[in-house]
Amino acid sequence: DTEVTQTPKHLVMGMTNKKSLKCEQHMGHRAMYWYKQKAKKPPELMFVYSYEKLSINESVPSRFSPECPNSSLLNLHLHALQPEDSALYLCASSQGKWATNSYEQYFGPGTRLTVT
Amino acid sequence: AQKITQTQPGMFVQEKEAVTLDCTYDTSDPSYGLFWYKQPSSGEMIFLIYQGSYDQQNATEGRYSLNFQKARKSANLVISASQLGDSAMYFCAISHNTDKLIFGTGTRLQVFP
Repeated sequence: DTEVTQTPKHLVMGMTNKKSLKCEQHMGHRAMYWYKQKAKKPPELMFVYSYEKLSINESVPSRFSPECPNSSLLNLHLHALQPEDSALYLCASSQGKWATNSYEQYFGPGTRLTVT
Repeated sequence: AQKITQTQPGMFVQEKEAVTLDCTYDTSDPSYGLFWYKQPSSGEMIFLIYQGSYDQQNATEGRYSLNFQKARKSANLVISASQLGDSAMYFCAISHNTDKLIFGTGTRLQVFP
């Protein structure tokens, strides 16, 4: 099973709203990731959690707040977003950089976010 | 700095034919991994194939194979016997044994009957 699930599939929010994106995996992976992808562009890394600890923050604005409640779950809390934050948000998981073999990342289907 | 270059913004191939998607990379690190992902219009990134820098043989996964030429720093994806469902965006990516994947700009493949 190489499934990563994400909810919701679509989200429309106003600039003053607070919302959360959720991601779940049951592959026993120790690393989880958030990416942002604008139309016709490659995904851009936002955050990496390794063993439930934040290991990489790619200088993401504080209006995006990640949380890793346990090894299977990853949340992205959104507050006071701007219209330019509208994008596809992808979650991924992997065995992490300590994997002895390949360490490919498995992605969820994404959440299409529109900020109005 | 590491960099991935995909020079083909778009490619067309007829069903049942083979197609090669180009990928070159730039790194000074001897240890790295190369990945190919497929992204259909639905948005999900689907892992296709992996090649480690120390792997002696080219990776293969079903109809996908990776033409790895280390000295030329290229890792082209070959899709044999193309199917209509192969129409998608294809991304090449590199990782240096870290948790960061660096993606190329992608190639849009369209398979026609």
